Amino acid sequence: GAGVSQSPRYKVAKRGQDVALRCDPISGHVSLFWYQQALGQGPEFLTYFQNEAQLDKSGLPSDRFFAERPEGSVSTLKIQRTQQEDSAVYLCASSLRQGPSETQYFGPGTRLLVL
Amino acid sequence: AQTVTQSQPEMSVQEAETVTLSCTYDTSENNYYLFWYKQPPSRQMILVIRQEAYKQQNATENRFSVNFQKAAKSFSLKISDSQLGDTAMYFCASRMDSNYQLIWGAGTKLIIKP
Repeated sequence: GAGVSQSPRYKVAKRGQDVALRCDPISGHVSLFWYQQALGQGPEFLTYFQNEAQLDKSGLPSDRFFAERPEGSVSTLKIQRTQQEDSAVYLCASSLRQGPSETQYFGPGTRLLVL
Repeated sequence: AQTVTQSQPEMSVQEAETVTLSCTYDTSENNYYLFWYKQPPSRQMILVIRQEAYKQQNATENRFSVNFQKAAKSFSLKISDSQLGDTAMYFCASRMDSNYQLIWGAGTKLIIKP
């Protein structure tokens, strides 16, 4: 079956531009996670959805970052007024259930470069 | 605060050798889960193996096994009979029972040489 997909795969933005990153989780997966991965680093948690509810957004670095999952499937991560420090790979992951031992299935990521 | 430390930025071994990747973590909780994920070059992150902290038996998945030392807060990954396809970044991660966040180490780049 289809895995987690993300679009676009690459995005170049001018500083100050708004960007929207899309994640299509595996069908039927309850949990959805967003991570930010800087070059040469491990991912860092941004936010978590259980169905359409955003249960944890403590990792969002500033109020320029906003995520939504209005129908409990597709999710969008929006970054307003992009800054150079936002340059990173943004990973989306989904899991079938919401338990802490659940396997997270990752998408290929969106590589964002802010000039 | 929860932390995960991987002290080996890069390792390199010959094909068919055994290699061990180190990971230490810090937590004040009793219930937690530990994971090793693999991120091949230009490919997606995939789960290699997981360990529940309440289980004393070390997890094993084919050529991959862990050495979980709870008192020492150590969680190393052993890859036996290494293959060229094992070349990847390996990340250690932990998740508490009480929250949703996976906390990640900085990763170890593993190169398997032919």
